Amino acid sequence: DQQVKQNSPSLSVQEGRISILNCDYTNSMFDYFLWYKKYPAEGPTFLISISSIKDKNEDGRFTVFLNKSAKHLSLHIVPSQPGDSAVYFCAASVPASKLTFGTGTRLQVTL
Amino acid sequence: KAGVTQTPRYLIKTRGQQVTLSCSPISGHRSVSWYQQTPGQGLQFLFEYFSETQRNKGNFPGRFSGRQFSNSRSEMNVSTLELGDSALYLCASSFVAGGRGDTQYFGPGTRLTVL
Repeated sequence: DQQVKQNSPSLSVQEGRISILNCDYTNSMFDYFLWYKKYPAEGPTFLISISSIKDKNEDGRFTVFLNKSAKHLSLHIVPSQPGDSAVYFCAASVPASKLTFGTGTRLQVTL
Repeated sequence: KAGVTQTPRYLIKTRGQQVTLSCSPISGHRSVSWYQQTPGQGLQFLFEYFSETQRNKGNFPGRFSGRQFSNSRSEMNVSTLELGDSALYLCASSFVAGGRGDTQYFGPGTRLTVL
């Protein structure tokens, strides 16, 4: 039972354009959402998070949007850079519990 | 400050064998969580240890076990290996238990191949 889903296994975007990565969840008890970035041969690194009391959180080029009614989360990267090429995981948690991760989306930013 | 270290980085075993993976958390961190990453399933939570006690457990068979030592280092053991156990095993450390993820720091992982 995949409670957090990333339906696009891969995404290709040109440098300078916007990258939009999507994530859907089924558990309405999730109250905290995160995005991680993973390069090959490295562990995931935390990118940005959002609490369920907000619908948007911004950090530099990265913005996360949360639509609770649709149970949908998205990460926008503007402008996309070649160094953003990586696998992106969304994750969610209920209070004081483990993280549930999606299956990941591989982003490739082309020149 | 040194990051999370995992040893070994690569491991090849045959079916039926057992394996032990090691994770050393960031100094001062007392929580260690283990995850299994496979291409189709993403990262799946195995268990979390905090102050030598298992605090949380995922939906994995009993062949998967772990422990944590008094210095917060953690080991994960998989007995009677199956082909499907081939995966990247990641550990993450944090200062507090049940961290919100933004306080978790991942190691580079151990790539286990079962033949």
